[in-house]
Amino acid sequence: DAKTTQPNSMESNEEEPVHLPCNHSTISGTDYIHWYRQLPSQGPEYVIHGLTSNVNNRMASLAIAEDRKSSTLILHRATLRDAAVYYCILKGTGNQFYFGTGTSLTVIP
Amino acid sequence: NAGVTQTPKFQVLKTGQSMTLQCAQDMNHNSMYWYRQDPGMGLRLIYYSASEGTTDKGEVPNGYNVSRLNKREFSLRLESAAPSQTSVYFCASSEYVRGRIHTQYFGPGTRLTVL
Repeated sequence: DAKTTQPNSMESNEEEPVHLPCNHSTISGTDYIHWYRQLPSQGPEYVIHGLTSNVNNRMASLAIAEDRKSSTLILHRATLRDAAVYYCILKGTGNQFYFGTGTSLTVIP
Repeated sequence: NAGVTQTPKFQVLKTGQSMTLQCAQDMNHNSMYWYRQDPGMGLRLIYYSASEGTTDKGEVPNGYNVSRLNKREFSLRLESAAPSQTSVYFCASSEYVRGRIHTQYFGPGTRLTVL
């Protein structure tokens, strides 16, 4: 599976939108883009995933660049509960996810 | 519906001791996974089981063994614990259909310290 590059950390003010970037320049045509997050002292939890089109769910939106070499996870209104490490993962066929070190999001009250 | 459960939550071992970490899922998933997470690091895959009766090595399998006891349960065994195995261990499960993993669901983790 191809690798992803994310900033180590980001900050956001509470109730403002947050855009978490991810670069994946070596993505293949069959790789899905998955986002997970890990709250302090918990296991990771699924956030969203997509292939080519932008995706929305109750937690977030995923914006995928037209060339698919980058994507952005959008939290529309950050809350203190959104403070977590966010992982961007590319997943092709095969049975393994590779987690990097992710982006640590701090939400400022 | 408990999702993925792990026991124990915490464990302290002495070097050379053995122990088994237990994991169970009630979502009828066919695939299960064991990861470890060291401080400040992402998760690394130790072993996985794509379906009942099969197991495969992940990224960091040395020092561990696994057993897929049935569809629900997947255990991780440390035969002779070493300080380098001090970590947080997460179990996960997912559906694996037509060559693709679907959403992974994680347990709460086991915090293991080896002295």
